[in-house]
Amino acid sequence: EIVLTQSPGTLSLSPGERATLSCRTSQSVSGTYLAWYQQKPGQAPRLLIYGASTRATGIPDRFSGSGSGTDFTLTISRLEPEDFAVYYCQQYVNSPPITFGQGTRLEIK
Amino acid sequence: QVQLQESGPGLVKPSETLSLTCTVSGDSINGYYWNWIRQPPGKGLEWIGYIYYSGSTNYNPSLMSRVTISVDTSKSQFSLKLSSVTAADTAVYYCARRGYGIRAFDYWGQGTLVTVSS
Repeated sequence: EIVLTQSPGTLSLSPGERATLSCRTSQSVSGTYLAWYQQKPGQAPRLLIYGASTRATGIPDRFSGSGSGTDFTLTISRLEPEDFAVYYCQQYVNSPPITFGQGTRLEIK
Repeated sequence: QVQLQESGPGLVKPSETLSLTCTVSGDSINGYYWNWIRQPPGKGLEWIGYIYYSGSTNYNPSLMSRVTISVDTSKSQFSLKLSSVTAADTAVYYCARRGYGIRAFDYWGQGTLVTVSS
């Protein structure tokens, strides 16, 4: 099983600041198989990024993804009030199981 | 607009079988992989398994002995059965679609809370 470790656990920032979220995988993963989601309280997760760096439909360009191998990053260039939420990374390699990171909580400072 | 809607009992007794159905609207069920994912209260996401529209399945090894996912393309529905439930199976259960040609879940249901309690 591929384990995903996200850091930090909680990130406290102010609107307008830049957010950098990390996801490290326990074994090398093709970027094709790495995705990021945003989840707000009481809502289902929303796909932000797939293939490590491709924005999903309707996702603002302040969200960007990068990385390869075992280290991946989600960057929010300039935080808007609606961006404060929990973010999950996920890997989808062929062999089961599909796994998620434990999440990073992005909170208003 | 693709929509997924979970339905089923919100309360299940220990040792019994949890049964949920996901109804898909706004697009064909054909050609896609359909997934179940759960989230215990206050915790992270756990993938349960998927079914391809043709009926082939793949399950999380940690749940494989208790899980069955089936599909009814004529009704645009797929279903989850989880047997011998315990309190540890209490969670919000989501159905989700793997996007065409991508390795990610592009559409999700709103989720349904299932509580295991006597």
